[in-house]
Amino acid sequence: DAGVIQSPRHEVTEMGQEVTLRCKPISGHNSLFWYRQTMMRGLELLIYFNNNVPIDDSGMPEDRFSAKMPNASFSTLKIQPSEPRDSAVYFCASSPPGSRQETQYFGPGTRLLVL
Amino acid sequence: KQEVTQIPAALSVPEGENLVLNCSFTDSAIYNLQWFRQDPGKGLTSLLLIQSSQREQTSGRLNASLDKSSGRSTLYIAASQPGDSATYLCAVFYPLTQGGSEKLVFGKGTKLTVNP
Repeated sequence: DAGVIQSPRHEVTEMGQEVTLRCKPISGHNSLFWYRQTMMRGLELLIYFNNNVPIDDSGMPEDRFSAKMPNASFSTLKIQPSEPRDSAVYFCASSPPGSRQETQYFGPGTRLLVL
Repeated sequence: KQEVTQIPAALSVPEGENLVLNCSFTDSAIYNLQWFRQDPGKGLTSLLLIQSSQREQTSGRLNASLDKSSGRSTLYIAASQPGDSATYLCAVFYPLTQGGSEKLVFGKGTKLTVNP
């Protein structure tokens, strides 16, 4: 299995630009998570999908952030417009059914720098 | 508020030493607790998962314990090696709460350096 796939791995953009991060979960997993990691705040859950439906988006910072999961094999996290404080590593993770007993599998992350 | 704290933030030890990483959590109503490893520039890899009904889990040189009542977990690494150098994160899986969903709450990690 290829694991969780994220693209791009690195993104450098200018303030005000739109940024789209992509994630392909592990086949057969029905839960998908977007996290953001910074030195100051550590790893924070942004949004969680179950069976393609957003369950909890309380961690999404503000209206500039949006996430979609149009099907079981693809999700996007969009930031529009981007700001320097959005600079962080964004991780996508997926887990199989029965997630209370199972771990989450993390992708390699997208390192975002907003200038 | 559900918080996870890890102490120390960084630890440097000589090769071969046994060591303990600590994790504490504020809300003991948990599903499970997990320890992850993160290498620089990489994602997280799950090391051990302890269900709320369990007291410990072992994998090779790693042993993780869980004391729900006191809100604490430890990760014990025996005979440390330079390859163990990484950041170790503790994460607690909390059940559904009023106004919230099941979620994994992470500590900020302990950065471990094992010197040859």
